[in-house]
Amino acid sequence: ETGVTQTPRHLVMGMTNKKSLKCEQHLGHNAMYWYKQSAKKPLELMFVYSLEERVENNSVPSRFSPECPNSSHLFLHLHTLQPEDSALYLCASSQDRYQGAGYTFGSGTRLTVV
Amino acid sequence: SQKIEQNSEALNIQEGKTATLTCNYTNYSPAYLQWYRQDPGRGPVFLLLIRENEKEKRKERLKVTFDTTLKQSLFHITASQPADSATYLCAFYILTGGGNKLTFGTGTQLKVEL
Repeated sequence: ETGVTQTPRHLVMGMTNKKSLKCEQHLGHNAMYWYKQSAKKPLELMFVYSLEERVENNSVPSRFSPECPNSSHLFLHLHTLQPEDSALYLCASSQDRYQGAGYTFGSGTRLTVV
Repeated sequence: SQKIEQNSEALNIQEGKTATLTCNYTNYSPAYLQWYRQDPGRGPVFLLLIRENEKEKRKERLKVTFDTTLKQSLFHITASQPADSATYLCAFYILTGGGNKLTFGTGTQLKVEL
């Protein structure tokens, strides 16, 4: 384990379902991130939280809704997704957003929308 | 906008040889450049960070160079082993006001053969 834990590892959901992805880190990091990784594409930054405050939202559709209740936990709530949303969703954390330190990633949730 | 280019074709090399992966960028130089390793179905793992005022960084069998004139970073693995087979991602961290973020390339797949 890297120190960032994501659950579930795999998720299959229908387009009308509502589900949530969970991310947890106990590294004492102050910044957490959601990335989407699709085949043959670079990682796409979705949301950034710094000290529990959302600081970036990269034009992500409203069917994705993040939540950061405390500095150790990050959620991504999903509802009425589309098949093109199928991808690997990665959570990451870093000490902060300004020192250029490496990110610690979780193993990801492989999401399939049917 | 800033673009990061990595060779999309897989690199196949023989065990024991040095693998060299290339990362090119356009426009302005990043403050930090990072390299990650990603195995199938897993999240990226941070390997090395190099700052724009550094020419070279080493860690065990890994070496990264950063040439701001050529707008290029090279990632070397010496004495490569089959266990080094993975996809390697370069990422730029650009310091711009409140919009600091890590942007990734698509990655280059490395295969080390016996």
